[in-house]
Amino acid sequence: GNSVTQMEGPVTLSEEAFLTINCTYTATGYPSLFWYVQYPGEGLQLLLKATKADDKGSNKGFEATYRKETTSFHLEKGSVQVSDSAVYFCALSDPGLTGGGNKLTFGTGTQLKVEL
Amino acid sequence: DAGVTQSPTHLIKTRGQQVTLRCSPKSGHDTVSWYQQALGQGPQFIFQYYEEEERQRGNFPDRFSGHQFPNYSSELNVNALLLGDSALYLCASSLTGSNQPQHFGDGTRLSIL
Repeated sequence: GNSVTQMEGPVTLSEEAFLTINCTYTATGYPSLFWYVQYPGEGLQLLLKATKADDKGSNKGFEATYRKETTSFHLEKGSVQVSDSAVYFCALSDPGLTGGGNKLTFGTGTQLKVEL
Repeated sequence: DAGVTQSPTHLIKTRGQQVTLRCSPKSGHDTVSWYQQALGQGPQFIFQYYEEEERQRGNFPDRFSGHQFPNYSSELNVNALLLGDSALYLCASSLTGSNQPQHFGDGTRLSIL
């Protein structure tokens, strides 16, 4: 079945440091890939997405490129801020066969802590 | 424009009881999915509703059931609660079709004593 593997956290960085959170996946077919962010006590917010190979998703300074050859979708940001502290989830979609939308398979999440 | 809303925010139950969680999707969305998120883990897909029918189901027992109403809102029911059912239950809504992003509510925190 489908699966997503993320690097374990927590990842602790100083403000303005470069961020990489690794994500690799196993899937049949051609899934879409997503990064979601979860702040304490809240639900998940969509950060960015990519729907086909070589697509680059980007939002709020974060970006990730869909690499089919390495089955990866690593999240990067050039300069992190304290406000970026949260848990980040990589996910892939599995389109339904009977109508409706896709279902998401998530990684276990990577906690990011950014310090001054 | 209201996003996905869930109720209640928190709930405490005892083993063997039954619980109903509610979700109103984002305006314009017609598909609702439910996820269970255990502490420190990623969300796990429970099931998805579209056109008032269960369309997809994850690896959860029959104790977990749901419903979608004509106004697209949805309920998640869990019977015979176990300690292991303690988790954050997330509702997500989307437009129908593959590759449509899902929008999540803030969840219901269910604690089983």
